[in-house]
Order: sequence, then structure tokens, then C-alpha cells
Amino acid sequence: RKEVEQDPGPFNVPEGATVAFNCTYSNSASQSFFWYRQDCRKEPKLLMSVYSSGNEDGRFTAQLNRASQYISLLIRDSKLSDSATYLCVVREEEYGNKLVFGAGTILRVKS
Amino acid sequence: EAQVTQNPRYLITVTGKKLTVTCSQNMNHEYMSWYRQDPGLGLRQIYYSMNVEVTDKGDVPEGYKVSRKEKRNFPLILESPSPNQTSLYFCASSLGYGALATNPYYEQYFGPGTRLTVT
Repeated sequence: RKEVEQDPGPFNVPEGATVAFNCTYSNSASQSFFWYRQDCRKEPKLLMSVYSSGNEDGRFTAQLNRASQYISLLIRDSKLSDSATYLCVVREEEYGNKLVFGAGTILRVKS
Repeated sequence: EAQVTQNPRYLITVTGKKLTVTCSQNMNHEYMSWYRQDPGLGLRQIYYSMNVEVTDKGDVPEGYKVSRKEKRNFPLILESPSPNQTSLYFCASSLGYGALATNPYYEQYFGPGTRLTVT
């Protein structure tokens, strides 16, 4: 079983759509969670951290459910520029600052 | 400009020919790490370093070596590259690490990547 699992997609959506990505993780001791964005095999960039209470950053909302070991990302009013691969990431502090990545979910926003 | 640099960005080489991929950061970061990315597998950690002269294995260390002689540099060495090491490699660094580190101290900054092909 992979440590972090995501639906690979691709998700093909029209501009303005709302789209949701889900992710599950296997290590119940994990404490820190993130969504990264990766454009066309460039370096991953931090999109947002994920907190237990849920958090929002503009059109992006992240949620964490520790009991189910489940993380989600909601994108509202999709833009063409949102087209990218979204990586679900769990931090393992016991190994210093190790990040465990899901394989990524591809989003394609079309006009 | 605060950044992580990697060189070379692209490399095609042959089996068995030793190579080094350099990584350098100018942010005085304690923690540095190497990842490789393969289709369908996500990024996987190869080696990491928590300070000068302190390195440890990640999930996929076989066939790789690293060194941390200076705080800013963390080169990745492939002594005898093989085709299964064809991959996209990323170096990353963060100011801090560990359970007590809080954002932004643990936020990792990634280099632009090195695309390696071993034939």
C-alpha cells in the first residue's frame, strides 16, 4: 500500500468549474500535511498547508480528516492557469523533514 | 535572490560513467534533501542531511552517495549509473527540521530539477 494515495486523474474541467481532489495517507502518526503544485515536470511549489480545522486561501480550500486519514483540496472558479499536477504531501518529522508525496492528480482546465 | 540551484539541468550519460549533480542553496538552511521523481510514483527521498557532515539514507538510497562538507552544498554522486537511475531529480532545503519545527522553518524549497538519462 502506498503511503500517500491520490486519484491520478486527469480531471478535465471547464473554466469556472469547482473541482475537488482527495488523498489518503497511511501513517496515523503524521502531523503535517500539504498540497503542492507542479507544472509540467518543474519543481514542486507549496500551494498550502492543511490544518485540522480546514483552511482557505482565495479560491482554494483544504480539509483534513485525521480519523479517516483523508485530505482534500477544493478549487472554486477554476482558471486556465490552474492546470497543473497537484501533489498531496505528508511530512514525517521523525526523519528530520522528510516529505512523502502522492503521485499527483492532473488537472486540465479548458476554455 | 533566495534560491536552490542544481547543475546540470539535463544530462545524458552511459552506464557506468561516474557523475555528480550539484545542489547549492544561499539561504543558510540546515536541512537538505534529494528526491527522485518517476512516473506514477511521485517524489521519493534518496538521501538527506541535517547539517554539515550529517547525512542519512532516505527511501531509495541504493546506487547513490552524498556529501555535506559545507552548509550550502549537497552534491549527489552516482558512482556507476545504471538505466534504472534515469529519472528527474530534485534537491530541496529547509531552514529547520524535526517535530518542533514550525512553519516557515520546515517549508522546503526545491531546486529546478535535473533530468538524467542513463543509456
